[in-house]
Amino acid sequence: DVKVTQSSRYLVKRTGEKVFLECVQDMDHENMFWYRQDPGLGLRLIYFSYDVKMKEKGDIPEGYSVSREKKERFSLILESASTNQTSMYLCASSKAGQNTEAFFGQGTRLTVV
Amino acid sequence: GQNIDQPTEMTATEGAIVQINCTYQTSGFNGLFWYQQHAGEAPTFLSYNVLDGLEEKGRFSSFLSRSKGYSYLLLKELQMKDSASYLCAVRVRHSGYALNFGKGTSLLVTP
Repeated sequence: DVKVTQSSRYLVKRTGEKVFLECVQDMDHENMFWYRQDPGLGLRLIYFSYDVKMKEKGDIPEGYSVSREKKERFSLILESASTNQTSMYLCASSKAGQNTEAFFGQGTRLTVV
Repeated sequence: GQNIDQPTEMTATEGAIVQINCTYQTSGFNGLFWYQQHAGEAPTFLSYNVLDGLEEKGRFSSFLSRSKGYSYLLLKELQMKDSASYLCAVRVRHSGYALNFGKGTSLLVTP
């Protein structure tokens, strides 16, 4: 069974804290993605990576950074958490190539207080 | 980003057929995906279209017209468990393999 695992299902952090969201996939996929999902706004792409140490900005990268030191792991970092970053965060991965779907993790519900 | 539009909500009856439409405006189109997402769960892949026409997979079918920037997901013989959000997503060449999602259509199946 293919698997994308996110380190936490629920997380509560304080404003100003540095927050790490971890994602690991066991499918040897080249591509990994971070999205956030908010009611009425759908899934929005924050960052993606198509190879180790490579990263590309998505539609809403402000306030976030990412790290991909190993192929299987893609970390999302909130440098200084703010209340408007309260959201559901979804990690996904896919194999390089034309006809490849993305597999999603279960999501991390982050609340910043 | 891309402009991807789909209805916000739909209601249909168990056993019926429902069609969920998706329109998009983009350059560098490189495939359209449909995902299903139950409340509190991760999205799961349903179908993929890159060429015009209909792709059938059991009770679910997806259609694409690239010239019209239009797709639909057709669900037949609706079951209560089909109540979920249905997400239309477009991939474009200049964004690598990232998917750009519409806001999703919440489908309620009633008895």
